[in-house]
Amino acid sequence: DAGITQSPRYKITETGRQVTLMCHQTWSHSYMFWYRQDLGHGLRLIYYSAAADITDKGEVPDGYVVSRSKTENFPLTLESATRSQTSVYFCASMGVAGDNEQFFGPGTRLTVL
Amino acid sequence: ELKVEQNPLFLSMQEGKNYTIYCNYSTTSDRLYWYRQDPGKSLESLFVLLSNGAVKQEGRLMASLDTKARLSTLHITAAVHDLSATYFCALRLNDMRFGAGTRLTVKP
Repeated sequence: DAGITQSPRYKITETGRQVTLMCHQTWSHSYMFWYRQDLGHGLRLIYYSAAADITDKGEVPDGYVVSRSKTENFPLTLESATRSQTSVYFCASMGVAGDNEQFFGPGTRLTVL
Repeated sequence: ELKVEQNPLFLSMQEGKNYTIYCNYSTTSDRLYWYRQDPGKSLESLFVLLSNGAVKQEGRLMASLDTKARLSTLHITAAVHDLSATYFCALRLNDMRFGAGTRLTVKP
């Protein structure tokens, strides 16, 4: 699939379990981002990456781990899921040329029981 | 601390009317984004404003940026029902910070 994809689209897990959300983009964009969206909080940045093997914390990084071994993939791992991590997670990518437009994936709805 | 503030947070307007959504931010940046989100959907990029005085228009939406005032506006002209959505502004420094969003409802 062209563009930016996320998997799974829906996930239900239990407190304490490890969960990995996948993000894949086909544009070879340098930048990739992970956000969470919660009612009352808008979108908050969890982690971002400027290039392969370069990652930085965003506004709400605690409880999350990221890696970026390849430019096109940016997985997000919840090492020990908590109920407060129930949210909709969006991945996004951005190139460095032109307008630096940011494109979003379709989102993953995660429920932690 | 970086703040990105949108107002109003909720906006109900009639078709055919004009209105403006405001986005204020607390630190210097020359890269301001506007997005649209429909219920249950992802975010769609509307505009990227890269410099002071930038103005971009697409259909009934026009966005502008005043970096000296740290203010961006999204102006809606002659609203139609299809514009009902939530609109977000976002500021890029090293990372990205979003405003809380403006939920727009256009009524016939």
